[in-house]
Amino acid sequence: AQSVTQPDIHITVSEGASLELRCNYSYGATPYLFWYVQSPGQGLQLLLKYFSGDTLVQGIKGFEAEFKRSQSSFNLRKPSVHWSDAAEYFCAVGARQAGTALIFGKGTTLSVSS
Amino acid sequence: SQTIHQWPATLVQPVGSPLSLECTVEGTSNPNLYWYRQAAGRGLQLLFYSVGIGQISSEVPQNLSASRPQDRQFILSSKKLLLSDSGFYLCAWSTLYDTGELFFGEGSRLTVL
Repeated sequence: AQSVTQPDIHITVSEGASLELRCNYSYGATPYLFWYVQSPGQGLQLLLKYFSGDTLVQGIKGFEAEFKRSQSSFNLRKPSVHWSDAAEYFCAVGARQAGTALIFGKGTTLSVSS
Repeated sequence: SQTIHQWPATLVQPVGSPLSLECTVEGTSNPNLYWYRQAAGRGLQLLFYSVGIGQISSEVPQNLSASRPQDRQFILSSKKLLLSDSGFYLCAWSTLYDTGELFFGEGSRLTVL
């Protein structure tokens, strides 16, 4: 069955420290991969996406993610976290087929301490 | 540019009452439309998606239904709400022939008492 696992429910990082949020997926073929961010009470905003090509993708707000096929992972990273990065982060996978819905992980809540 | 609107933003309803959440997309044609529900600690659960007017696919058997009366309008309904229907409902759209990226509305918070 297709699934997305975000092993960390909640992470606390000091402001200025580096961040890595983990995402593992189970899918029949290489899917499209996405990271979204959600601030409290808001909708989801796309941070970055991987379709093909370079396995290291850059996104908005200084985030990047690396696709590792051998590990079925798509981890999100940021070298220096800002207090405004505190939010919930969702990894998602989608089929390479128009009209199909994305499958989301359960999310990781990021807290930033000063 | 494309925009997506959801309303109402917040709703408090008694058990057994009906529900109607509406979602409208502007600036695009023939979008794929989706309803997701977000409950605390459970991520986003796909409820319904639609690839065209009157075409609805249901992912989870439940107390809810969806309709798409117009190309860019997607409605989530219930005849009788349950306590378990409480949650944050998100509407999203994607283009018909694109890479699956979803664009989300701001969400509707439903509390059933």
